[in-house]
Amino acid sequence: QVTLRESGPALVKPTQTLTLTCNFSGFSLSTSGMCVSWIRQPPGKALEWLARIDWDDDKNYSTSLKTRLTISKDTSKNQVVLTMTNMDPVDTATYYCARTTLGSYLDDWGQGTLVTVSS
Amino acid sequence: EIVMTQSPATLSVSPGERATLSCRASQSVSSNLAWYQQKPGQAPRLLIYGASTRATGIPARFSGSGSGTEFTLSISSLQSEDFAVYCCQQYNNWPRTFGQGTKVEIK
Repeated sequence: QVTLRESGPALVKPTQTLTLTCNFSGFSLSTSGMCVSWIRQPPGKALEWLARIDWDDDKNYSTSLKTRLTISKDTSKNQVVLTMTNMDPVDTATYYCARTTLGSYLDDWGQGTLVTVSS
Repeated sequence: EIVMTQSPATLSVSPGERATLSCRASQSVSSNLAWYQQKPGQAPRLLIYGASTRATGIPARFSGSGSGTEFTLSISSLQSEDFAVYCCQQYNNWPRTFGQGTKVEIK
């Protein structure tokens, strides 16, 4: 059974750096074809794809956010970490991680974690 | 980047009726299109991938069609648990992009 769980601060101040961790089980990021993606959703708004990392440490980022995002993995811990710099109130959203096969569709999702950006 | 446009924004349907949702891509995504269902307070759930293949455990009343730039999600006979937001996503190009969603509400 595949499970993913996001964790991180619920509140960050403007200009701070956000660090989110995705802990997963039921699959390994050392398996060929496996990827983990991050997606966010501002309250009442649409989903926005942010980044993904694959088993070979290949990475892709949102065009509009790539200067602020870094995705990394710790295969031994079954963890993927997303950092986002220079947080702004418009970055307030629920952040999800999801398992992706070959970086395609999002098979399994975590429950999401709400991050509020406010001073 | 590819822009995904869904229509309508809201669809009012009576239980038991058919619902048809549209998703259009700004350029061809071949059949690399997925549909997700999202209920309030929950994470999205994969319904359809490859434009027309149902994910594991998805009832047969859900069907997807299309290729290139025009896609459709159909729900043949709406059940109470189907009232939700539906979103399409292309995975043909980087970055991956989502549509803005269609809310299916009870008429």
